[in-house]
Amino acid sequence: DAGVTQSPTHLIKTRGQQVTLRCSPKSGHDTVSWYQQALGQGPQFIFQYYEEEERQRGNFPDRFSGHQFPNYSSELNVNALLLGDSALYLCASSQMLAGGDEQYFGPGTRLTVT
Amino acid sequence: SQQGEEDPQALSIQEGENATMNCSYKTSINNLQWYRQNSGRGLVHLILIRSNEREKHSGRLRVTLDTSKKSSSLLITASRAADTASYFCATDRKSSASKIIFGSGTRLSIRP
Repeated sequence: DAGVTQSPTHLIKTRGQQVTLRCSPKSGHDTVSWYQQALGQGPQFIFQYYEEEERQRGNFPDRFSGHQFPNYSSELNVNALLLGDSALYLCASSQMLAGGDEQYFGPGTRLTVT
Repeated sequence: SQQGEEDPQALSIQEGENATMNCSYKTSINNLQWYRQNSGRGLVHLILIRSNEREKHSGRLRVTLDTSKKSSSLLITASRAADTASYFCATDRKSSASKIIFGSGTRLSIRP
């Protein structure tokens, strides 16, 4: 039973570029949440997707957008990258009907913006 | 903004000793969870305690919750080198369903 997978593992981009990160949820899970974790900080909630719609959103600008596909996998897109977007991006999946409380996290994608 | 704040920010203890980490939060919650993170990688879910529970155990872990003080503690007994990691509390606020807010974490180091 595969857990949450994320790709790529590492990514280096230049300011102003766009990036797409991908996440496949744990088998049986239908909800995907994305978090940004700066070095030495706790994860910050970006948004959550369920039934292919954005259900919750944290305090992030519109440069951050996402998508969920019919197979429950998800993408996080960041446009017009800033140096401050450098962080570890974590994807977490859960099952909405089970309450969605317990989230399973992927290994993360480390994004470096130069 | 952070909902939970862990205390202490860093903790170094001898292998075999007990480690206690605390978490305080600001608003009413549905539940509180503790996670472990090794070397800046993915988080591992340790334990969830609901707002109507006061104490929960899982192996060497003991979590308490005091909703009147808006605080929780995580106790790791008989620590091992493998327990070296960052530990985060995360709260699911009543005012915002299904959005989990993390604290800034406690970095635990176990000395051999």
